[in-house]
Amino acid sequence: GENVEQHPSTLSVQEGDSAVIKCTYSDSASNYFPWYKQELGKRPQLIIDIRSNVGEKKDQRIAVTLNKTAKHFSLHITETQPEDSAVYFCAASINSGSARQLTFGSGTQLTVLP
Amino acid sequence: DAGVIQSPRHEVTEMGQEVTLRCKPISGHNSLFWYRQTMMRGLELLIYFNNNVPIDDSGMPEDRFSAKMPNASFSTLKIQPSEPRDSAVYFCASSFDPRQPQHFGDGTRLSIL
Repeated sequence: GENVEQHPSTLSVQEGDSAVIKCTYSDSASNYFPWYKQELGKRPQLIIDIRSNVGEKKDQRIAVTLNKTAKHFSLHITETQPEDSAVYFCAASINSGSARQLTFGSGTQLTVLP
Repeated sequence: DAGVIQSPRHEVTEMGQEVTLRCKPISGHNSLFWYRQTMMRGLELLIYFNNNVPIDDSGMPEDRFSAKMPNASFSTLKIQPSEPRDSAVYFCASSFDPRQPQHFGDGTRLSIL
C-alpha cells in the first residue's frame, strides 16, 4: 500500500518568514495530494490540494508543488502569521473509482513565533 | 451547511463496555470515512463507505470494531468490548463523491479507563 513520509516533525519560524513542509510518497499511481491543517483539539481542515496533472498550485500565502518523478510534494507558506501555528498533514491517494483512500503523513507541528 | 456532525464529542467509559460513535455526513455526500487519530500512529483510516456500502474495512484493528451505515445520513462505529488501547480521537469524514475532497467532523475523544 501507499506510504507517506513527512518532514520535519516540528518547525519553528519567525513571524513573516516562510515555512516549507515536505512529503514523499511510495506509490507512483497516487494522483491526489491534499494538505490539512489541524489546530489543537480541532478537526483537520483542508487548506489546499493538488492533482497529479498539475505541478504547482497557489492560494494566497499557501502554495503546493508536486514532483511526480521524484514522488515528493511540498507545502509552502509565505509571510507566516501566528494563526498559522498548527499541525499540518500531507496525504496521498489513488482515485480507485470507488473511493479515494487517503494515506496521511505523520504531521508537522508548525510554530510561528511573534 | 452544518458540516459533518459527530456525537458524542467526548466519551469516557470503563474497559469492557460497549461504545457507539455516531456520524451524520454532509447532506448529499455519498462517501463516508472513519479515522482514528493517536499520537503514536497518527491518522489511520479504519473503514469507508460509498453509497452506504462498506468498500474497504482493512483498517479496522480487530473484530471488536464494527461499522454500519444504514442510510445516507447516518453511520455508527461500535467497539465491543472496549479496551484502554482504544483510547483515541475518532473522526468521521465525508465527500461529495469519491474524487472530491474529504471534510472532517469535530471528532469524538474516547477514553477507556
